[in-house]
Amino acid sequence: GAVVSQHPSWVICKSGTSVKIECRSLDFQATTMFWYRQFPKQSLMLMATSNEGSKATYEQGVEKDKFLINHASLTLSTLTVTSAHPEDSSFYICSAPGLAGAGIDEQYFGPGTRLTVT
Amino acid sequence: EDQVTQSPEALRLQEGESSSLNCSYTVSGLRGLFWYRQDPGKGPEFLFTLYSAGEEKEKERLKATLTKKESFLHITAPKPEDSATYLCAVPSTTDSWGKLQFGAGTQVVVTP
Repeated sequence: GAVVSQHPSWVICKSGTSVKIECRSLDFQATTMFWYRQFPKQSLMLMATSNEGSKATYEQGVEKDKFLINHASLTLSTLTVTSAHPEDSSFYICSAPGLAGAGIDEQYFGPGTRLTVT
Repeated sequence: EDQVTQSPEALRLQEGESSSLNCSYTVSGLRGLFWYRQDPGKGPEFLFTLYSAGEEKEKERLKATLTKKESFLHITAPKPEDSATYLCAVPSTTDSWGKLQFGAGTQVVVTP
């Protein structure tokens, strides 16, 4: 199946600093990727849609100036958490559509990035 | 507003003890329903997509079914390695399969 990777797998940063998380599709191209956030004991919540070559679209309530998304190529999307605060501590997960022909409606998820802001 | 509700929240099973998980949804014009497995500290792993009422899909000890109002994930003769949180999700918009609305999940623990 399609493979999506994330880097780093975990990161600890100080309050007020910025952190960049990478999401890569390893064996396929993805013009669209999606970023989710998962707080402890809760389910995944969609944050934004990352579009290659155009601006990201954000879900209601998600601050676009705080969560900067750049879809630099057909295999890479980055999420930058700017001026991070402890309440941004969460598990961030990206996803990308599966390979055409293998079911483009199947979404493949990355392994996630655990962000802890101290 | 579209809603996806899973029950029970948690399920503890003895190895070999079959059971079912429920996912009920209130979505107008359902285009599909997904089942995922999530292990602690990891991203969701795709299991099934169901498209229409009456559809069934199987994979090893798992079988997913869909009605007009809910979906069931049946676990037959589970093993400890089936322990995980099982998530169901539906597309939240008509223009993308990737924008998913997830249920809260059912945490399954299978003991030897």
